[in-house]
Amino acid sequence: SSELTQDPAVSVALGQTVRITCQGDSLRNYYASWYQQKPGQAPVLVIYGKNKRPSGIPDRFSGSSSGNTDSLTITGAQAEDEADYYCNSRETSGHPVIFGGGTKLTVL
Amino acid sequence: EVQLVESGGGLVQPGGSLRLSCAASGFTFSTYSMNWVRQAPGKGLEWVSYISSSGNIRYYADSVMGRFTISRDDARNSLYLHMDSLRAADTAVYYCAREQYSSSWDFDYWGQGTLVTVSS
Repeated sequence: SSELTQDPAVSVALGQTVRITCQGDSLRNYYASWYQQKPGQAPVLVIYGKNKRPSGIPDRFSGSSSGNTDSLTITGAQAEDEADYYCNSRETSGHPVIFGGGTKLTVL
Repeated sequence: EVQLVESGGGLVQPGGSLRLSCAASGFTFSTYSMNWVRQAPGKGLEWVSYISSSGNIRYYADSVMGRFTISRDDARNSLYLHMDSLRAADTAVYYCAREQYSSSWDFDYWGQGTLVTVSS
C-alpha cells in the first residue's frame, strides 16, 4: 500500500502564512482531506475535496493540489491554530483510506 | 446536533477481548457509512475499519484483519468494534468517525474517543 508523507513539524510567526504539505501517489488520483487536532481533543475536519471548508471553519484555511502533493495553507495564522494537522485520502491499492503521519504546527 | 459517543474502553490483558460501542445521535445513522480510527499514545492517526451504510461492505486495516470485527445496529443508532486477541500494539484511543458522503473517505464528525490499554 502507498503512504502519505508530511513534515513532522512546521512553525510560523503569528499573523504570517504557512503551508503544510502532504505527498503521496494516491494524491495523483484523489484529493487529500485535512484534520486539525489539539491536545486531548478529537480531530476536526478543516478541508475536504481539494478546497472546501466545513461550516464553522475560518476562511484563513485553504487547500490546494498539484501532482502528488496536496497542501493546507493558513493565511494569517492565529495562536489557536497551533495544533497537529493530518491529511488523509483514498488509497489506490490495498487499504481504502490512509492517513499521513501528521505535522505539528507551532505558532511563534 | 450530531454526536458520537464511544464507550467500552479499558484495561485488558494481552490475548483478551473487548467490545467498543459508539452511540450516534442528531442525524439519520442508517444512511451513513462509519469508521473506527485509532491513535496510539503520542502517535498519529491510524484508520482501523469501515462499514457501509447498508452494513454489507466492511474493510479492515492489515494490522487488525482477522482479529477485529466491525458491526452496526441501526435500530439502536450504534456502531461496534469487537476486538479479539488483543496485543500491546493495539493500545490506543479509539475514535468512531462518520464518513461525510458515500465514498468520500473524509470524516466530518468524530467522537471524543475511548482508551484501550492492553497490558499485563
